[in-house]
Amino acid sequence: AAGVIQSPRHLIKEKRETATLKCYPIPRHDTVYWYQQGPGQDPQFLISFYEKMQSDKGSIPDRFSAQQFSDYHSELNMSSLELGDSALYFCASSSLSGYTGELFFGEGSRLTVL
Amino acid sequence: AQSVSQHNHHVILSEAASLELGCNYSYGGTVNLFWYVQYPGQHLQLLLKYFSGDPLVKGIKGFEAEFIKSKFSFNLRKPSVQWSDTAEYFCAVKSGGSQGNLIFGKGTKLSVKP
Repeated sequence: AAGVIQSPRHLIKEKRETATLKCYPIPRHDTVYWYQQGPGQDPQFLISFYEKMQSDKGSIPDRFSAQQFSDYHSELNMSSLELGDSALYFCASSSLSGYTGELFFGEGSRLTVL
Repeated sequence: AQSVSQHNHHVILSEAASLELGCNYSYGGTVNLFWYVQYPGQHLQLLLKYFSGDPLVKGIKGFEAEFIKSKFSFNLRKPSVQWSDTAEYFCAVKSGGSQGNLIFGKGTKLSVKP
């Protein structure tokens, strides 16, 4: 079965650079969530989108922005990267129309900021 | 704001021992409750979930959890653990209906000695 696809899987950037992470939800899923998991930490909710509109916002820094496109894929843009941004970024998707309550997670994008 | 508390940061067991991981949440309204497992270097996978009905829910790999509303608890159990259960376990709560996001606990790292 198709799963949530994230790219790139690994990314290394310097401080003050920018990075873009991509997320392709499970087909027919209309909601995308972004989570940040620092080393040894629990996943922290950043932001979510439903039908291309932002539906909820968590602890996303102002340096970060995200959007969901017409094909339902989402991109997380991170600018002025800081060392503390090094983390595993998970994307998850769900379907409101076929709602089961479950979020399906991708394998994550590991960002390392040097 | 809702919160999720997991009582144990790290649990070490021998194979065949019984497991119980505690989870309490703070939200007083209707919630959906989840346990996710994260094997080393991998993404989050759903173990089980509770929405309504029978408070004792059974998940994959022999795990079960009991929802006790009066105690705001959703403890995870397994009668006999295996070395392959070594992983980090996250309790999560979802409120706000179908568009709500997941709030995770800090996680419990389980190490099973062969």
